Amino acid sequence: EPEVTQTPSHQVTQMGQEVILRCVPISNHLYFYWYRQILGQKVEFLVSFYNNEISEKSEIFDDQFSVERPDGSNFTLKIRSTKLEDSAMYFCASSRDRWLEKLFFGSGTQLSVL
Amino acid sequence: KNEVEQSPQNLTAQEGEFITINCSYSVGISALHWLQQHPGGGIVSLFMLSSGKKKHGRLIATINIQEKHSSLHITASHPRDSAVYICAVSGGADGLTFGKGTHLIIQP
Repeated sequence: EPEVTQTPSHQVTQMGQEVILRCVPISNHLYFYWYRQILGQKVEFLVSFYNNEISEKSEIFDDQFSVERPDGSNFTLKIRSTKLEDSAMYFCASSRDRWLEKLFFGSGTQLSVL
Repeated sequence: KNEVEQSPQNLTAQEGEFITINCSYSVGISALHWLQQHPGGGIVSLFMLSSGKKKHGRLIATINIQEKHSSLHITASHPRDSAVYICAVSGGADGLTFGKGTHLIIQP
């Protein structure tokens, strides 16, 4: 079965540093998402991306966050100036259809901000 | 904003038992997802359903749109079914809204 791949699997950074989390969605998928899960808490929606632009974003996705599809395959999440509370598992997901198709999740990037 | 409630929060059962996990939500949706999260953290989509019932192997998912309720059933449970099962709903303006998950442990 096709997979969503995420790199790196673990990222440790100092507070205030910029990080870029990378994802390669499934090739024929059109909708891309970032979710995060703080340890012990439920998964939360960050942002969805379609047709090279953000289609929806949550309150969490403030000016410190940005997403980009720099080429035909990669989908990135950038955090400009990391805070301690950004420590979480970040999941990328993709789907062919916004509402009617299963989501495929990557295995996640564990971000630790020190 | 949709509120997603799952029950039970924790469930321990013996191998072979029939398992039911419940999910209720507060606002009408376009689809409901059942997800499985393993101890390593990875998330796998089990089902996406908008009406009726779906079956895949020993897993069965049902949804009642009028009652805003869904159930996930596992027949002949096995220790490898041990995981966190998450209900998530879509249809609002904020992507998927997730439940807190049900921690399932199947003992041999």
